[in-house]
Amino acid sequence: AQSVTQPDIHITVSEGASLELRCNYSYGATPYLFWYVQSPGQGLQLLLKYFSGDTLVQGIKGFEAEFKRSQSSFNLRKPSVHWSDAAEYFCAANYGGSQGNLIFGKGTKLSVKP
Amino acid sequence: SAVISQKPSRDICQRGTSLTIQCQVDSQVTMMFWYRQQPGQSLTLIATANQGSEATYESGFVIDKFPISRPNLTFSTLTVSNMSPEDSSIYLCSVVSFSYEQYFGPGTRLTVT
Repeated sequence: AQSVTQPDIHITVSEGASLELRCNYSYGATPYLFWYVQSPGQGLQLLLKYFSGDTLVQGIKGFEAEFKRSQSSFNLRKPSVHWSDAAEYFCAANYGGSQGNLIFGKGTKLSVKP
Repeated sequence: SAVISQKPSRDICQRGTSLTIQCQVDSQVTMMFWYRQQPGQSLTLIATANQGSEATYESGFVIDKFPISRPNLTFSTLTVSNMSPEDSSIYLCSVVSFSYEQYFGPGTRLTVT
């Protein structure tokens, strides 16, 4: 079955440090890939997406993600984390194109140490 | 991007009752989805709300428990029927834009006592 895996349940980084959140999708046809952020008590905000083309995509809030077909991965990165980045991050995949819904990973909770 | 509103934003309901959640979008969209996010969990798709036809439910979700209406291209409702404490979750509606980006409403936080 199609699936999205986020191996890290909880990550803690120091403010100013770099961040990488991992995401793997089940192999096969490359889906549309997304990263969302959910702050406590808030809805989901789209950070960035990958459909095709350039494998390094830029998003909002200084985030970027790199698509690697050979590894079935779509990892999220940020060079310098801010305390306000503390939130839950979800990787999601759409395997169905225009008719498809999103399959979500279980999420990674990011904590930021001062 | 689409602007999505949901009502109510939160509610506390008694076991055995029903709650209808409304989702309003500021533009016409073809695809609308309803998701559930149980406490501390990820999002799970409940159903796809189709305008002019029956909703399409995912495995484990049935129409009698989660009836959905989609009367037009900007509005949908999800009813959680005969509620039990296990239904305590955040319910979110979402839409897909023409560029295949999916946007989410702020969610309805439901607590069943």
